[in-house]
Amino acid sequence: KQEVTQIPAALSVPEGENLVLNCSFTDSAIYNLQWFRQDPGKGLTSLLLIQSSQREQTSGRLNASLDKSSGRSTLYIAASQPGDSATYLCAVPSGNTGKLIFGQGTTLQVKP
Amino acid sequence: NAGVTQTPKFRILKIGQSMTLQCTQDMNHNYMYWYRQDPGMGLKLIYYSVGAGITDKGEVPNGYNVSRSTTEDFPLRLELAAPSQTSVYFCASTSSGRAEEQFFGPGTRLTVL
Repeated sequence: KQEVTQIPAALSVPEGENLVLNCSFTDSAIYNLQWFRQDPGKGLTSLLLIQSSQREQTSGRLNASLDKSSGRSTLYIAASQPGDSATYLCAVPSGNTGKLIFGQGTTLQVKP
Repeated sequence: NAGVTQTPKFRILKIGQSMTLQCTQDMNHNYMYWYRQDPGMGLKLIYYSVGAGITDKGEVPNGYNVSRSTTEDFPLRLELAAPSQTSVYFCASTSSGRAEEQFFGPGTRLTVL
């Protein structure tokens, strides 16, 4: 059974710092991995989707990496800003019906 | 382009009442999903559908029912609401079951008292 874990559960950093969020999964037979952002009381916004054949995916200050063999993905945020404060969730699909298995999320606070 | 829309945004129910959460997508996606998110937790799958007329249970289906009569709509029915169903409900859709991005609605915040 696929399990997804995110560490740490919460992170507080000063503005401008580069940071890494971690996501690990137990079954390496995945089609892709998706990173989401969730603001308090809001829905999920897709940030990056990494296909199983890719090692990295970049969007602006965000860079996500995927290492299937070790069951790990990282989300790198460069030059963090207070507007980056949110909960970040990673998820992998289970089987071939697209059902997502989510981690519990990392809540990020970037202090001015 | 509306994407995935959900109604209502908020709802308070009394124990034993019933309601339907509405979900509509305008992207012609075959695959649709209902998840619930409890405080401080990730999302868990309630039901999903791979096309009109086809639905299946997810991880936490008890107390819920779904139907999929059209490609666009995937309503979630709560029968005999219980406090354990207090949660935020998200509907999502994607074009295929394997390697495609999944899009989420804004959620419905439900409280059962």
